[in-house]
Amino acid sequence: DIQMTQSPSTLSASVGDRVTITCRASQSISTWLAWYQQKPGKGPKLLIYKASNLESGVPSRFSGSGSGTEFALTISSLQPDDVATYYCQQYMWTFGQGTKVEI
Amino acid sequence: EVQLVESGGGLIQPGGSLRLSCAASGFTVSDNYMSWVRQAPGKGLGWVSVIYSDGNTYYADSVKGRFTISRDNSKNTLFLQMNSLRGEDTAVYYCARAVSPGEGLRYWGQGTLVTVS
Repeated sequence: DIQMTQSPSTLSASVGDRVTITCRASQSISTWLAWYQQKPGKGPKLLIYKASNLESGVPSRFSGSGSGTEFALTISSLQPDDVATYYCQQYMWTFGQGTKVEI
Repeated sequence: EVQLVESGGGLIQPGGSLRLSCAASGFTVSDNYMSWVRQAPGKGLGWVSVIYSDGNTYYADSVKGRFTISRDNSKNTLFLQMNSLRGEDTAVYYCARAVSPGEGLRYWGQGTLVTVS
């Protein structure tokens, strides 16, 4: 089974900072990677699919990159509304363990 | 408007069975890729199972042989039959829809809590 490893587990940054979360797959998954945002008490929300495609309605400060085994989610200018936990998912299956973003 | 509404959660004793339902509206379940994802209290997301539009099904190793995903086309509803439940199955269970495989789970229900104790 393919394992997904995110880093860091927790990230603390200031408003306006550029932040990057990484996700590593245990074997190549091409660009079959999605990113989700989950706010406390809410269900997950799709942000990025196929590694770099921005979901409709998601602010352009979010971007995704990578292929093969190394992927990244970048928030170009962190906003208070971005406080959440972020998860990667390979294809239709395994999720990463999550990265909590704090301000 | 796309809607997914889960039901069927509750308190169940270890070894028991429970069937979760996910009533869909605004699209046809059988034409889509439908997943169950769970989240234990205070923990991360865990993929459980998926049923493809062609009927193929896949399961996480942790539930294989105990859980069964299915759908009722006439009711436009997704199900998750959960047998031999364990304490570690305690979680909020979400159903979710992917428009195309590998394009992420775009639509999510509100979740239903299953407590095994």
